[in-house]
Amino acid sequence: AQKVTQAQTEISVVEKEDVTLDCVYETRDTTYYLFWYKQPPSGELVFLIRRNSFDEQNEISGRYSWNFQKSTSSFNFTITASQVVDSAVYFCALSGIYGGATNKLIFGTGTLLAVQP
Amino acid sequence: NAGVTQTPKFRILKIGQSMTLQCTQDMNHNYMYWYRQDPGMGLKLIYYSVGAGITDKGEVPNGYNVSRSTTEDFPLRLELAAPSQTSVYFCASSSSRGGTETYEQYFGPGTRLTVT
Repeated sequence: AQKVTQAQTEISVVEKEDVTLDCVYETRDTTYYLFWYKQPPSGELVFLIRRNSFDEQNEISGRYSWNFQKSTSSFNFTITASQVVDSAVYFCALSGIYGGATNKLIFGTGTLLAVQP
Repeated sequence: NAGVTQTPKFRILKIGQSMTLQCTQDMNHNYMYWYRQDPGMGLKLIYYSVGAGITDKGEVPNGYNVSRSTTEDFPLRLELAAPSQTSVYFCASSSSRGGTETYEQYFGPGTRLTVT
């Protein structure tokens, strides 16, 4: 069965601190996709990144970086120099690669990040 | 592009009433989805569609129905609303440009539904 675990329910940091959000996944598929989505207080879900299981290279986009480690089934997300606008719920998700819409997007329960000024 | 739009934003229903949640996307995506998000939880898939005229059940389809008569629209129907259907409902769409490959889903702003 596929499962995504985000063990951190809530994290509170002070602005400019670095913060890492953990994501651990389970799947029997040998190929799969991992995603991160952001849900700010306004409620919409914003796509951040898609990473396929073929590629274990870390990725950096501005203040965001992602560390994918297949050996530990983890796909952690780090925000460097956090800002108040980063305050949101962050969801990690998993899906198969082939099968299009028939691949379910399995979400974790989310981590609420509160960045204090 | 407006992306994925949903109406209404909020709705209160009485037990036993029915309603339709509207979803429209203007990105020419073949795939569309309906999710519900309960407090403190991730999203669960209700129904999905791989193209006009084709729909299938997701993880939690009971109490809901969908139709897909056009590429753009994917309405979700609640018949005989129950308190257990109080939730936030998200519609999403994704591309099928790769044919069979999975691509990221783009979400609408959500509809907050309360059944009392």
